[in-house]
Formats: sequence, C-alpha cells, structure tokens
Amino acid sequence: DTAVSQTPKYLVTQMGNDKSIKCEQNLGHDTMYWYKQDSKKFLKIMFSYNNKELIINETVPNRFSPKSPDKAHLNLHINSLELGDSAVYFCASSWTGNIGNSPLHFGNGTRLTVT
Amino acid sequence: DQQVKQNSPSLSVQEGRISILNCDYTNSMFDYFLWYKKYPAEGPTFLISISSIKDKNEDGRFTVFLNKSAKHLSLHIVPSQPGDSAVYFCAARGNSGNTPLVFGKGTRLSVIA
Repeated sequence: DTAVSQTPKYLVTQMGNDKSIKCEQNLGHDTMYWYKQDSKKFLKIMFSYNNKELIINETVPNRFSPKSPDKAHLNLHINSLELGDSAVYFCASSWTGNIGNSPLHFGNGTRLTVT
Repeated sequence: DQQVKQNSPSLSVQEGRISILNCDYTNSMFDYFLWYKKYPAEGPTFLISISSIKDKNEDGRFTVFLNKSAKHLSLHIVPSQPGDSAVYFCAARGNSGNTPLVFGKGTRLSVIA
C-alpha cells in the first residue's frame, strides 16, 4: 500500500534509446510532479500536473514528455536519451487545497543511468 | 541562482546532543518553508513546516525557527538519535497557484552513538 510508487527503481540504458518511468499515487491527491536530482544533488522541479492538466513545465528538453492519463498517474517518457540525463528521477504528489503548506509526498526514485 | 541554500554539506553530532541545520533563502516571495528527511535509496519524506507568519513551529523533538528579516531558517533536533542520520533538505514555496517547491542541496547529518 505504498503511497507514491514509481517503476522501475533502476534503469540502465544506452544513448539514443527511448525509455519510460511510471508513477502512481493512491493518496487521492490532485497534483503530481516530476523532480530530477542530478549529480550535484539538487532536487529540481521538471513538471507539475493538476487534475491531468500541465501546470508547470520548467526548462526541460522536448525529449522529455510527461503524460497523465488520470490524476493518480503521471508517467515520464524520455526520447533519444543522452549521457546528461543520468540522474535520479522522483515522482511526487500533493493536495493543492491547502496551497502553501501542503507537503509533497515522494516516491522512492528511479535511478537512470545512460551509457 | 540558488534560491534556497544549505551551506553546510555535512554535520556530525553526538547522540543526545542538539543538531542544528541551517538554511538561507533569497526569494522574499516565499511564504512556506518545509524540511524533508531522506534516507539512501528512498524518496524525501516530509518532516516539519512553517508558515511565514510564524517564527517557530515545534513537533516533538523537531523545531523549526524562521527569521524572515534575515531570510534564514533552522531545524533543531533535540535530543539527536542515531536514526536521525540522513540527508535533510530545506524547501520553500510561494503561496500563489501551483508554485513549485524549491529545494536546497541538503545537509548530511550523522548522529554518532
């Protein structure tokens, strides 16, 4: 009964490949996010979806395409993978009813290694 | 242009003593501040938060202090326990729409038994 679950946990792939990471939350939250933690350990927002609508789209290459089939799922598809995409990707969710103080609940991350 | 800064990458504290983790921010539009704790191979978990209208929030062994004029907050853990050893992230957000949570780089706390 994991609150925010993402799969796979580890992903090793070659440059140029296309891969997807899946995320599901069972908390009834209305907003989902993708964060990237790079080698410098910064956690940076990539995308945010509220009720399946894209809300935040930070400066992320077009090769990254999020898809939210319903408000409990937010998947991340990455085309033409590059070495610099190697990072840990975290999915998160929150309830925006209490906008400022609503904590994000994170999944356990997907470590992507591009060789 | 880091908006949230945690200038100490690591901190070691003896078990039973106080741990103080510091965080500075630059964006005066931030209204809410949160602390997250992260163990290896896990996602960050929410610990405690504070609104900008307060200067202190306490939850058990954890207390967060906010000094708005100095744009500084700190997390106090008393008494520190070995299970508190983790990376602690400071995060902040504004109060309009779906403003994203902006994270610091984290401080690794080691509590020595």
